[in-house]
Amino acid sequence: QQQVKQSPQSLIVQKGGIPIINCAYENTAFDYFPWYQQFPGKGPALLIAIRPDVSEKKEGRFTISFNKSAKQFSLHIMDSQPGDSATYFCAAGGTSYGKLTFGQGTILTVHP
Amino acid sequence: ETGVTQTPRHLVMGMTNKKSLKCEQHLGHNAMYWYKQSAKKPLELMFVYNFKEQTENNSVPSRFSPECPNSSHLFLHLHTLQPEDSALYLCASSQDPLGRRYTFGSGTRLTVV
Repeated sequence: QQQVKQSPQSLIVQKGGIPIINCAYENTAFDYFPWYQQFPGKGPALLIAIRPDVSEKKEGRFTISFNKSAKQFSLHIMDSQPGDSATYFCAAGGTSYGKLTFGQGTILTVHP
Repeated sequence: ETGVTQTPRHLVMGMTNKKSLKCEQHLGHNAMYWYKQSAKKPLELMFVYNFKEQTENNSVPSRFSPECPNSSHLFLHLHTLQPEDSALYLCASSQDPLGRRYTFGSGTRLTVV
């Protein structure tokens, strides 16, 4: 019940495309859903996060869509650039302290 | 730098060695975490410390021993590791015990030979 399932494992798009990464969760106690971006040789960095009281959040070219009834959320990257090539992790957290449960990660490659 | 510093960046150790990983944060955060990152697997939570007290041990083998002497420093002591323990070990911190807005370090790439 603590799992967060992420897909796809890898994704290749052309520059300007809109990659979409999906995550699904089971635990309805989760109330915080962040996305992290990780470049090679670096730790993950918080990209954007959403709470279940909204269905969409946008920050720059990054958008989270959230479907509470389906227990799913997704990351959309508008006008993707080669510099967006990285591994993306979704995660979920709840009122139990100090714990984020991460998805398996998606390796995104944006070709010039 | 992200504000969370991990040393060393790379470590190669034999199965009979004892070594320690260090994590340091000067962000004023009260919670610190150790995660294990293996290829094609989710980030695995190992340990959680809130205000220097260990609040979670996620069924981690005893060959991994954490230490948190103060809220700015976190160690992971390693002894008699196995080759399958080879991975990237990530330290993270957060302001509050609910674990939101993690700041990760760059990790220590550990290879057990």
